[in-house]
Amino acid sequence: DAEITQSPRHKITETGRQVTLACHQTWNHNNMFWYRQDLGHGLRLIHYSYGVQDTNKGEVSDGYSVSRSNTEDLPLTLESAASSQTSVYFCASSELKLAAEQYFGPGTRLTVT
Amino acid sequence: GNSVTQMEGPVTLSEEAFLTINCTYTATGYPSLFWYVQYPGEGLQLLLKATKADDKGSNKGFEATYRKETTSFHLEKGSVQVSDSAVYFCALSDRTGANSKLTFGKGITLSVRP
Repeated sequence: DAEITQSPRHKITETGRQVTLACHQTWNHNNMFWYRQDLGHGLRLIHYSYGVQDTNKGEVSDGYSVSRSNTEDLPLTLESAASSQTSVYFCASSELKLAAEQYFGPGTRLTVT
Repeated sequence: GNSVTQMEGPVTLSEEAFLTINCTYTATGYPSLFWYVQYPGEGLQLLLKATKADDKGSNKGFEATYRKETTSFHLEKGSVQVSDSAVYFCALSDRTGANSKLTFGKGITLSVRP
């Protein structure tokens, strides 16, 4: 069965360190998305990609970067982790069509100390 | 820009009670509308959707009707179960192309007691 996986599931890091969160999907979807979930804010879009070599900034992209070298993967990098980036991060993917359902990974809980 | 407003939570109901969760939106044009559900410790999953005015989405006993005149997409269920305890998110996707970028509401936590 097709799926979307994230790793690690839990991560503790120190302020200032670079951190990369992995996202891998086997749906063969063109679209991939990264969100963060915080109490009182719901889900906010960080970055998204509509295909290989395509990346776009979302509403909360400062301090984050992504790259898309193949269809399956969209790693999210925190260049210099800050305590404000403590959150739960979700990756999602969807087909390239109108009103397509997004399929979500299980999430990564990141704590920056 | 696009935005989604959900009623404040949390909501606690007894089993078999009627559920309504309000959702209103602001968007240019005619967006597609969604309800996603997040069970404890999991990612989100699509519950239902509607793509044009007066469409009704339904799944697992939940329903929501796309009301263009009131810019609303309220979620209803006639008889909730303990297993419906979860966080519910309303979301919209604009129709500016074939891409499915979503704008989410803040979510509301539903707890159903036996």
